[in-house]
Amino acid sequence: DTAVSQTPKYLVTQMGNDKSIKCEQNLGHDTMYWYKQDSKKFLKIMFSYNNKELIINETVPNRFSPKSPDKAHLNLHINSLELGDSAVYFCASSQDPGKQETQYFGPGTRLLVL
Amino acid sequence: AQSVTQPDIHITVSEGASLELRCNYSYGATPYLFWYVQSPGQGLQLLLKYFSGDTLVQGIKGFEAEFKRSQSSFNLRKPSVHWSDAAEYFCAVGVAGKLVFGAGTILRVKS
Repeated sequence: DTAVSQTPKYLVTQMGNDKSIKCEQNLGHDTMYWYKQDSKKFLKIMFSYNNKELIINETVPNRFSPKSPDKAHLNLHINSLELGDSAVYFCASSQDPGKQETQYFGPGTRLLVL
Repeated sequence: AQSVTQPDIHITVSEGASLELRCNYSYGATPYLFWYVQSPGQGLQLLLKYFSGDTLVQGIKGFEAEFKRSQSSFNLRKPSVHWSDAAEYFCAVGVAGKLVFGAGTILRVKS
């Protein structure tokens, strides 16, 4: 059983399009995250949700909109895709962010914007 | 601001040799420290973590790391490297509910 799963694994699209990435965790965790790994492999947090409530929102363009329909799912919608959005997007989950517990990562979604 | 520095971008070791990957952090309070490994095209897997207590922590796959507060370091070690250890290794510090990552160290293993 996959603990944190993401779909799709690969996404190739044209500039200006709108796309979504889905994430699901079956660990029973309360908190989910989106991280972006750029072309230099640098990982940086974008958002986190705790029990469907947004708790971290880093300086991310508002073209990126996370949505959490329930605490097991955190989707990422990206409007008007730009070349610079090409990256690997990782979803993660943890039980209690306040205690800095371990974050478990999904396999990543490799987004290429042409 | 909190930060993590991994001074070595690439490290190459021979199979069977010992390994040490360096990590230095900048954080005012007691840090929560993690090492993750990323194999090519894969996600991140937790190797080990330090929250408190014994400063030498054991992880999976024979890895260990030592927390040294005086040096603000959390170096990762393995006594004998296997070819399957070739991957990218990330050190991270937990801060206010998020992970702040270093830039990563790519480990190459030569036979």
